[in-house]
Amino acid sequence: GNSVTQMEGPVTLSEEAFLTINCTYTATGYPSLFWYVQYPGEGLQLLLKATKADDKGSNKGFEATYRKETTSFHLEKGSVQVSDSAVYFCAGPGSARQLTFGSGTQLTVLP
Amino acid sequence: ETGVTQSPTHLIKTRGQQVTLRCSSQSGHNTVSWYQQALGQGPQFIFQYYREEENGRGNFPPRFSGLQFPNYSSELNVNALELDDSALYLCASSLDPRVETQYFGPGTRLLVL
Repeated sequence: GNSVTQMEGPVTLSEEAFLTINCTYTATGYPSLFWYVQYPGEGLQLLLKATKADDKGSNKGFEATYRKETTSFHLEKGSVQVSDSAVYFCAGPGSARQLTFGSGTQLTVLP
Repeated sequence: ETGVTQSPTHLIKTRGQQVTLRCSSQSGHNTVSWYQQALGQGPQFIFQYYREEENGRGNFPPRFSGLQFPNYSSELNVNALELDDSALYLCASSLDPRVETQYFGPGTRLLVL
């Protein structure tokens, strides 16, 4: 079945550093892929998505490109802020149209 | 546009009790999915409801059951609570089952003692 593998955390960066969180997937075909963010004590917010291969999703300075040749959807941001501290989840469709999630990556940005 | 709402925000129960959690879908969304998120883990799919019928289920026992109402709101019921049921329960809605993008509510944090 479909699965998502996400880089294990936690990740600690200084403010204005470059961020990469790796995500790879296995699926039939080229389904939509997503990044969700979860701030402390809250639910999940959709951060960005890509609906087909070679598509790039972007939002709030974050970007992720859906690369079919490497089956990857890595999340990047050029300059992180303290307010970006959160848990980030990569996700894709499961076998029954539910979302299947990676294990999450805790990001802490220090001032 | 109203987002996904859930109630209650927090709940404490004892082992063996029953609990009902509620979810109102985002305006215009007819499909509701429920997820369980244990501490430090990613959400796990429980089931999905569409047109008041269960439309897919994850690897959860029958004591996890649900309902969807004509206004698309939904309930998650858990019977015979166990300590391992302590988790954040997330509801997500989507335009319909064919649409992969799901929007999540703030969750209900359940503690079973």
